[in-house]
Amino acid sequence: TQLLEQSPQFLSIQEGENLTVYCNSSSVFSSLQWYRQEPGEGPVLLVTVVTGGEVKKLKRLTFQFGDARKDSSLHITAAQPGDTGLYLCAGDSGGSNYKLTFGKGTLLTVNP
Amino acid sequence: NAGVMQNPRHLVRRRGQEARLRCSPMKGHSHVYWYRQLPEEGLKFMVYLQKENIIDESGMPKERFSAEFPKEGPSILRIQQVVRGDSAAYFCASSPPGREQYFGPGTRLTVL
Repeated sequence: TQLLEQSPQFLSIQEGENLTVYCNSSSVFSSLQWYRQEPGEGPVLLVTVVTGGEVKKLKRLTFQFGDARKDSSLHITAAQPGDTGLYLCAGDSGGSNYKLTFGKGTLLTVNP
Repeated sequence: NAGVMQNPRHLVRRRGQEARLRCSPMKGHSHVYWYRQLPEEGLKFMVYLQKENIIDESGMPKERFSAEFPKEGPSILRIQQVVRGDSAAYFCASSPPGREQYFGPGTRLTVL
């Protein structure tokens, strides 16, 4: 069974601070997605990383896929209250059925 | 460009009743996935369907749960004789073949 461990589980910071959240596994994934989920809503896709060592930037968000494709990180610069939400990573083990394995998420609160 | 639609958004059932959850994929998406999110747990894969075919149902409980994606109309997740442990948020996602999954807003099922 493939598992994705996300850390920290909870993170509360002040507006303007930087933060990094992590997604780790002992398994190799062919791709990894990051989603953000707000209360009462479904996950919204932020990015997909595919290549080991890949770095993708989305405004103030920087996503990195580990060289061995077993781990990933999300770094947010100058966090804003609008960044508040549950950040989920999900790995795709490959194959034709594209079954995603999700971590439990990091619940981020950015205080004004 | 409508996203993934799910209805109802909230569903209350008494123990022993049936629950029917509907999902209309995004336009142009032929693949549908169902996930369940229990309190304090991550999203868990349940089933992957294409039109008129169940591709992977390895995450579905063996009894009481079934899913379909007919040629016409939405995908349906059906739970017969619901029990309190079925209370959860059920999410549907859709994708084109081999591409990223986009999630709907979910159906929150409460079993009394």
